[in-house]
Order: sequence, then structure tokens, then C-alpha cells
Amino acid sequence: DQQVKQNSPSLSVQEGRISILNCDYTNSMFDYFLWYKKYPAEGPTFLISISSIKDKNEDGRFTVFLNKSAKHLSLHIVPSQPGDSAVYFCAASALKNSGGSNYKLTFGKGTLLTVNP
Amino acid sequence: GAVVSQHPSRVICKSGTSVKIECRSLDFQATTMFWYRQFPKQSLMLMATSNEGSKATYEQGVEKDKFLINHASLTLSTLTVTSAHPEDSSFYICSAGSGGSYNEQFFGPGTRLTVL
Repeated sequence: DQQVKQNSPSLSVQEGRISILNCDYTNSMFDYFLWYKKYPAEGPTFLISISSIKDKNEDGRFTVFLNKSAKHLSLHIVPSQPGDSAVYFCAASALKNSGGSNYKLTFGKGTLLTVNP
Repeated sequence: GAVVSQHPSRVICKSGTSVKIECRSLDFQATTMFWYRQFPKQSLMLMATSNEGSKATYEQGVEKDKFLINHASLTLSTLTVTSAHPEDSSFYICSAGSGGSYNEQFFGPGTRLTVL
């Protein structure tokens, strides 16, 4: 049972345009969401996160939007750059609902973003 | 960010042998380490969580006698795949955390295991 879903395995965007990566989840206990970026032969690196008490978090070119009622979040990258080409993983956790002790992350399958020059 | 290394990066072994994978936090003390497995075109699946000096907590469906985890120090955790079979072939990746927020969980580069 895939609790975190990234339904688009790949996305291709032109340099300078906006990249929108989507993620859906089914577990209503999730209260913290993260995006990781992964280059080939490297481990995932943390990009941005959002708590369920917010609906938006912005960090430079990266913005994450959370729609709790739809159980949907998205990562916006604008403007997109060729160096952004990587696999992006959405991850979720039930931190508060675990009493603050469970750092277990549930990952989606990832979306391969290609930014063309 | 902090650096987590894994060794080896790639290993090929015969069916029935055991393989040990090391995960090291190079510049910080990791109170908790996580071991994940990723099959092709699948998500990272958490296998187990280990805290230094205590037994690992395994996720449902993960055989603890097959995947032995030892977190003997604050900078080293090892995963031993015992009596490996071809279906154990996968990408194994660890992450290390210092007990803070999620962006303090750092991932290693992963180990590609191929069992012939």
C-alpha cells in the first residue's frame, strides 16, 4: 500500500520555466512533509519541508504547497535551472502524532526532473 | 551539511554468502541511523531504525535474522545481509541523524548489491 504517491515518474521543463512536482498521500496521520533531491550515485539531500500547520513554505527558488484537505503537496521550482535535473522524492512522517519520537520517513517513488537548456 | 559515507559502494557476491555494508557519519555523532532499500523504479523503503547501543527496530516484513544491524558507536552502523539470495539484490542506503529535526537526517551515497 503506497502511502505516498508521486504519480509522474518524469517531468521535462525548459530552463527558466517553472517546474511543478506533485505528491499525494493517503495517511491522515502524516503531519510533516519533506522533499529530497537525489543525483545518480549519491544519497538524497534535504531540500525543503513543511509542517501540516502551514500551507506554504518558501526557500529561494523552491516553494512547497500543502493542501491538507486534498492530501496533496507540490514542489515549485522557479526559475528552473539545468542543475536542478535530478530525482525528487517526496517524504512524509507522523511526527507529532507519534509523540515527537518517530522520525520514520515514508517516501514516494520519485520524479525524474530534466531541465533542458 | 554533514557527511555520511557508505562502504562498499558496489558489491557482487555469490548466492549464500554474507555481505556487510558500513555506514559512517564522518563529522557528527549519529544517535540514530536508518537503513533503507530501494528496488528499481520503487521508493526508498525503510528497513530498520537503529539507535547507538541498542537493538535495531525492524519494519514489518523485514527479517531481523537476515538483515543484521549493529550500531556499535555514534559514528558507525553496519548492515549484514546474511545468506544472500538474488532477490536481495537492491540498492541499500543509510541515513544518520543527530536527533534533531528532519533536515538533520543525512543520507549516504548507497550500496548497490548484486547477488548472483
